[in-house]
Amino acid sequence: GQQVMQIPQYQHVQEGEDFTTYCNSSTTLSNIQWYKQRPGGHPVFLIQLVKSGEVKKQKRLTFQFGEAKKNSSLHITATQTTDVGTYFCAGPWSGGSQGNLIFGKGTKLSVKP
Amino acid sequence: NAGVTQTPKFQVLKTGQSMTLQCAQDMNHEYMSWYRQDPGMGLRLIHYSVGAGITDQGEVPNGYNVSRSTTEDFPLRLLSAAPSQTSVYFCASSLTSGGGSTYEQYFGPGTRLTVT
Repeated sequence: GQQVMQIPQYQHVQEGEDFTTYCNSSTTLSNIQWYKQRPGGHPVFLIQLVKSGEVKKQKRLTFQFGEAKKNSSLHITATQTTDVGTYFCAGPWSGGSQGNLIFGKGTKLSVKP
Repeated sequence: NAGVTQTPKFQVLKTGQSMTLQCAQDMNHEYMSWYRQDPGMGLRLIHYSVGAGITDQGEVPNGYNVSRSTTEDFPLRLLSAAPSQTSVYFCASSLTSGGGSTYEQYFGPGTRLTVT
């Protein structure tokens, strides 16, 4: 069945270091979304990418959608303790009608001050 | 706007008991969904609804029922709780369209359920 895979599962960095998480889909996606979940919290939408090769930036966060629309990445420059949390990618789920998402298992980021 | 609200925040059930997790949104979103989150498993779709009176199964629907009588409310019912249903449950809502697009999903704060 359809799968969305994320690596790494965990990442521990020193504050100020960069961080990257990668998302790979078993199918071509029409779009991809990224969410952040703080410890004990709920997922919060960060961004949606739609176009092949698209790159979007939000301050220190850079999101990229692959040319084949099967992979994506999130890069954080100079991590801060406020970046701690789990980052999820999600794409449209092929198993139902419109609006459904299938999520990767997430990358849990910890930042040592 | 309160956004998406969920009650209760925490719940402990005994095996075999039934209960309803409540979810409401005040953003007039047609699309609503329920996910469960287990350690290391990400978010898995249980059931979803694209409008009042319309519901359908997600990836892991067994053991759960839903109904959607109004745009605002989307309760999730556990018919006979099992330890395997111990999880964190999130309700979410979003806009929807007929074109297969996905939109930003707004999540509620979650219900932490333990079944003993």
